[in-house]
Amino acid sequence: GNSVTQMEGPVTLSEEAFLTINCTYTATGYPSLFWYVQYPGEGLQLLLKATKADDKGSNKGFEATYRKETTSFHLEKGSVQVSDSAVYFCALALYNFNKFYFGSGTKLNVKP
Amino acid sequence: GAGVSQSPSNKVTEKGKDVELRCDPISGHTALYWYRQSLGQGLEFLIYFQGNSAPDKSGLPSDRFSAERTGGSVSTLTIQRTQQEDSAVYLCASSSMTSTDTQYFGPGTRLTVL
Repeated sequence: GNSVTQMEGPVTLSEEAFLTINCTYTATGYPSLFWYVQYPGEGLQLLLKATKADDKGSNKGFEATYRKETTSFHLEKGSVQVSDSAVYFCALALYNFNKFYFGSGTKLNVKP
Repeated sequence: GAGVSQSPSNKVTEKGKDVELRCDPISGHTALYWYRQSLGQGLEFLIYFQGNSAPDKSGLPSDRFSAERTGGSVSTLTIQRTQQEDSAVYLCASSSMTSTDTQYFGPGTRLTVL
């Protein structure tokens, strides 16, 4: 089957710390991978994506690399800010994008 | 431009009542998705529309759940004989034909079944 597993939160960091949120997946076929972010009081929005192995998605200082050999898509940022406090969701979709599978979300709290 | 809108934003109902949740996708978006987000859980896929057609209804939790889309635009998710376990945030998303992998989410409808 298809599924996404991401690290449980909450993750609490100080400003300017390095962030990693782990995400691994199981998929039948070759999925596209996504990170979505939900800021407090707002709807989900796409943060970054990668469509094939070894692709790196990046946006707003966040990066994630599609690793087929480890079936992973870990989210990283070198220096987090208070404004990055949000819930982050890892997701996959198969080739026709008619169904997306989301992880359970990881809440990030960044302290000043 | 206008994003995805959902109504109502909040709905409180009594167990056993029927509810209708509405989604207005971004104009011109052909694909529409419904998800359910229970407290502390991830997003659970419910149903996908391409135009007015729903090729995959396997995500609907039970036969109390149904959805339709008319005119390739507005969609309604109906829950009959609501149960307390139906309490959740129901999210709608849409995507365009030219960017099928990018979903735009609405703000959600928070459903509380008493």
